Amino acid sequence: GAGVSQSPRYKVAKRGQDVALRCDPISGHVSLFWYQQALGQGPEFLTYFQNEAQLDKSGLPSDRFFAERPEGSVSTLKIQRTQQEDSAVYLCASSLRAADYGYTFGSGTRLTVV
Amino acid sequence: QQQVKQSPQSLIVQKGGISIINCAYENTAFDYFPWYQQFPGKGPALLIAIRPDVSEKKEGRFTISFNKSAKQFSLHIMDSQPGDSATYFCAASTHNDYKLSFGAGTTVTVRA
Repeated sequence: GAGVSQSPRYKVAKRGQDVALRCDPISGHVSLFWYQQALGQGPEFLTYFQNEAQLDKSGLPSDRFFAERPEGSVSTLKIQRTQQEDSAVYLCASSLRAADYGYTFGSGTRLTVV
Repeated sequence: QQQVKQSPQSLIVQKGGISIINCAYENTAFDYFPWYQQFPGKGPALLIAIRPDVSEKKEGRFTISFNKSAKQFSLHIMDSQPGDSATYFCAASTHNDYKLSFGAGTTVTVRA
């Protein structure tokens, strides 16, 4: 596609529920990133994939967060047993090459945990 | 711990005026400083970026000024237009790292 596509755009989850957020990067992009953006804050790094390999997951806030990119294209960010503090916009970004600063961000998934 | 501090939190400017946003950092390993523009409901979009070997970079109405000794950089939006109303984020990274550290953002409102 022309851009990075994320779905769903909005998700409301009850506390304790598991959620899965999907990211379709730009076709052919090697690198894929997940960032978390709390209300009124800048994005914060969660995890990085180069093709199907997860090279950095240092930003994942707890073991309830899990990300995968099994075939090196679509990625899923899964949050288990959601908590209110997980409420945020989850942004996915991709870039053509590894260590390429020319990220293209998607519009994000706004997760609200009630 | 926020690695990049951004100010002001918000600003209002008249059409045709100049918007100035400031950022400061501590990590001297940072060597790439981009600015992103974000509209409501959209992801951040790269606006302009600078490396520390230059003190200024200009693209159209947008200029980055960089002061390496003070560890500060700023974005100037000249001849501000209502379409520039958005949230602006400064960020920083190192050349061997793909992670961006973002500031907290500045909401700019341009009044017609």
